[in-house]
Amino acid sequence: EIVMTQSPATLSVSLGERATLSCRASHSVSSNLAWYQQKPGQTPRLLIYGASTRATGIPARFSGSGSGTEFTLTISSLQSEDFAVYYCQQSNNWPWTFGQGTKVEIK
Amino acid sequence: EVQLVESGGGLVQPGGSLRLSCAASGFAFSSYAMGWVRQAPGKGLEWVSVISGSGGSTYYADSVKGRFTFSRDNPKTTLYLQMNTLRAEDTAVYYCAKRSATEGVIENWGQGTLVTVSS
Repeated sequence: EIVMTQSPATLSVSLGERATLSCRASHSVSSNLAWYQQKPGQTPRLLIYGASTRATGIPARFSGSGSGTEFTLTISSLQSEDFAVYYCQQSNNWPWTFGQGTKVEIK
Repeated sequence: EVQLVESGGGLVQPGGSLRLSCAASGFAFSSYAMGWVRQAPGKGLEWVSVISGSGGSTYYADSVKGRFTFSRDNPKTTLYLQMNTLRAEDTAVYYCAKRSATEGVIENWGQGTLVTVSS
């Protein structure tokens, strides 16, 4: 099983600042990496797939990069609606696995 | 509009069984692989199982293999997750999920159904 490790566990950011979230895979997942956002009491929402492709309707301030074992989700300018938990997920090998999540909170 | 509506959750004793259902609408059901993802209270996400569009192929997480069975009825556009020999660690919200046609990602989620395994 490929283990996905996200860092940091919690990220404190001010409105308008840049947020950089990391995700590391225990083995290469090529570009088969997605990012989801989950707000309290809501279901997750797909943000990024294929490591860098924004899903339909996702604002341009969200961007993804990386390949192999190292990936990054960047939120260029934090908006109030962006405070949430973010999960990465690999789909290169079954079982597909999620990271443990990074909580982005207001500083 | 894609709709995924789960049902069948509830309280069950350890060792018991439960069957979850997911009624799907708003898309070409048999053309899409579908899955179940669970989330224990206050915890992260875990893929439980995936089934191909035809139902001919299924994949399970090691944690549920041999205990859970995932099936689909394409004419009824409904998914089923038969869960046997339930354990306390199976306690979670179970989400029905529509997989992307081209990627191993979830495009749409149901609202989830809570399964609680406790005596």
